[in-house]
Amino acid sequence: NAGVMQNPRHLVRRRGQEARLRCSPMKGHSHVYWYRQLPEEGLKFMVYLQKENIIDESGMPKERFSAEFPKEGPSILRIQQVVRGDSAAYFCASSAGVGATGELFFGEGSRLTVL
Amino acid sequence: GENVEQHPSTLSVQEGDSAVIKCTYSDSASNYFPWYKQELGKGPQLIIDIRSNVGEKKDQRIAVTLNKTAKHFSLHITETQPEDSAVYFCAASIQGYQKVTFGIGTKLQVIP
Repeated sequence: NAGVMQNPRHLVRRRGQEARLRCSPMKGHSHVYWYRQLPEEGLKFMVYLQKENIIDESGMPKERFSAEFPKEGPSILRIQQVVRGDSAAYFCASSAGVGATGELFFGEGSRLTVL
Repeated sequence: GENVEQHPSTLSVQEGDSAVIKCTYSDSASNYFPWYKQELGKGPQLIIDIRSNVGEKKDQRIAVTLNKTAKHFSLHITETQPEDSAVYFCAASIQGYQKVTFGIGTKLQVIP
């Protein structure tokens, strides 16, 4: 499957635990985006990364949330000390980068439930 | 930053009728306007896009229009079919800087 791969698809955590969501972009794509989707809400931009660099994190909450896209391996969205309000679907998207068509290719999402 | 407003939030149409979804954007520098379709339990998928150098684009039963002066753009689906039922998102961005801002989404239901 050459598409954007996200795992886990479903994750259940208790309040105070950590959640790690992983995203492997499409083959040949070096730009990764994370979006959060709350029930009955749209897609909210969180962070835009290139390999080893955070380009724009203007949508990331200031505390508990972090993202990385290492030279090797998937991009990781990490949520520390989760709270019930973190329950949402987290979507990763990738693109070929500046100069490409601009299309974002989305994964199928990771659905986080915080008990 | 960019703000994209979308309406209606829900839309029900009879099979075969047309559906129209409207969006406005705030940043006059935005020049790329994609539309995404999200089926239940899936990630959004691009269905059509338009750039600011054209006013209209068609692809079979779907068309998009753009009014740069008014900062409006719309999605038109003709001859709707049950498989068109999904959530549709409009979005705006600046080509070359790929942070994409999405509207809140429109849940379209096509009634057979």
